[in-house]
Amino acid sequence: QKEVEQNSGPLSVPEGAIASLNCTYSDRGSQSFFWYRQYSGKSPELIMSIYSNGDKEDGRFTAQLNKASQYVSLLIRDSQPSDSATYLCAVNVAAAGNKLTFGGGTRVLVKP
Amino acid sequence: DGGITQSPKYLFRKEGQNVTLSCEQNLNHDAMYWYRQDPGQGLRLIYYSQIVNDFQKGDIAEGYSVSREKKESFPLTVTSAQKNPTAFYLCATLRGANYGYTFGSGTRLTVV
Repeated sequence: QKEVEQNSGPLSVPEGAIASLNCTYSDRGSQSFFWYRQYSGKSPELIMSIYSNGDKEDGRFTAQLNKASQYVSLLIRDSQPSDSATYLCAVNVAAAGNKLTFGGGTRVLVKP
Repeated sequence: DGGITQSPKYLFRKEGQNVTLSCEQNLNHDAMYWYRQDPGQGLRLIYYSQIVNDFQKGDIAEGYSVSREKKESFPLTVTSAQKNPTAFYLCATLRGANYGYTFGSGTRLTVV
């Protein structure tokens, strides 16, 4: 079993709709969780971080964390063509030396 | 401006040749990391360093070497022992466990 798993996609959503991305992780000692956006040929850019169970909203993005079920999700509201990218989920197990473990990424395509 | 500078942006390696990728930061972050990304895949950890003059192997360290003689610099050498080095290499720093990584712009290495 991979430590951090994501559906590779592509996830195709119409412009203006909500894109829903999911990520599951295996280490119950995981303490902090991150979502990165990566455009083709570019380096990842941090868009959301979450540490406590529940929802965290930042603009059009909402991160949701459920430690009991070991999943973290990202919602993108009012999706725009500029949101078309690969979204990487990353998990930090502090006891393992503050190394982030990444999922394989979900490719999102927003169609006008 | 604070940030991470990776150079060169593109690098071509001949068979049997060692090459060194540069990573310099002026963020004053203690921890630095090297990741490799293959097409359509997530990031895999090569080496990391939490303080000057100390570094640890990541998940795929074979065929790579690093040094950390200064806080600002964490160069990665891809040796001839790395049989499949063609990939996108990303350097990152960490401000703290709850902040996530900051990435450089990456170096794309190709074997010719």
